[in-house]
Amino acid sequence: DADVTQTPRNRITKTGKRIMLECSQTKGHDRMYWYRQDPGLGLRLIYYSFDVKDINKGEISDGYSVSRQAQAKFSLSLESAIPNQTALYFCATSEGQGHYGYTFGSGTRLTVV
Amino acid sequence: GDSVTQMEGPVTLSEEAFLTINCTYTATGYPSLFWYVQYPGEGLQLLLKATKADDKGSNKGFEATYRKETTSFHLEKGSVQVSDSAVYFCAQGGNDYKLSFGAGTTVTVRA
Repeated sequence: DADVTQTPRNRITKTGKRIMLECSQTKGHDRMYWYRQDPGLGLRLIYYSFDVKDINKGEISDGYSVSRQAQAKFSLSLESAIPNQTALYFCATSEGQGHYGYTFGSGTRLTVV
Repeated sequence: GDSVTQMEGPVTLSEEAFLTINCTYTATGYPSLFWYVQYPGEGLQLLLKATKADDKGSNKGFEATYRKETTSFHLEKGSVQVSDSAVYFCAQGGNDYKLSFGAGTTVTVRA
């Protein structure tokens, strides 16, 4: 099994729908992150969490919310999806500060029509 | 703030050609530097890293040297293969909570 698992891998949804992207990890890391990837823009941080009770907004949190259900699980929700949220979404984990780097999931490709 | 600038793509090469992707960073302090690779349809994987000045990271024939004097971490491979076609991301991470990524460079290797 992968260290960081994201579900679903692909999803097409309609404008205005609520959708949840899920992430689970077996690394035992406290820190978890959600990023979105857009062509030419690289990776942008949406939310991050240092532990179950510590959740923080990233650069582009508007329109998104998260839930850290357990150390191993970190979900991203789009409350009312819009087309410009069409992107590739990645979950990542880290054992500490930036020096440690990240372990990434395989991504969720989300299309909002 | 901390940032990473990497060579824009796309880059198209023939098999066995030499590949260089430039990466420079700005940072307060002494970050660790990373190259991640994203193969088609997959997530980002760590390709190599270096944690201090003059360190050389290497993996799968790729190399990059942490150059503090030029604040650079250029990625090189002497002879690329079709299987090296991917998007490559340079990143830095320090005492802060997160990594800073470059915009990514798409590399296509033709047989």
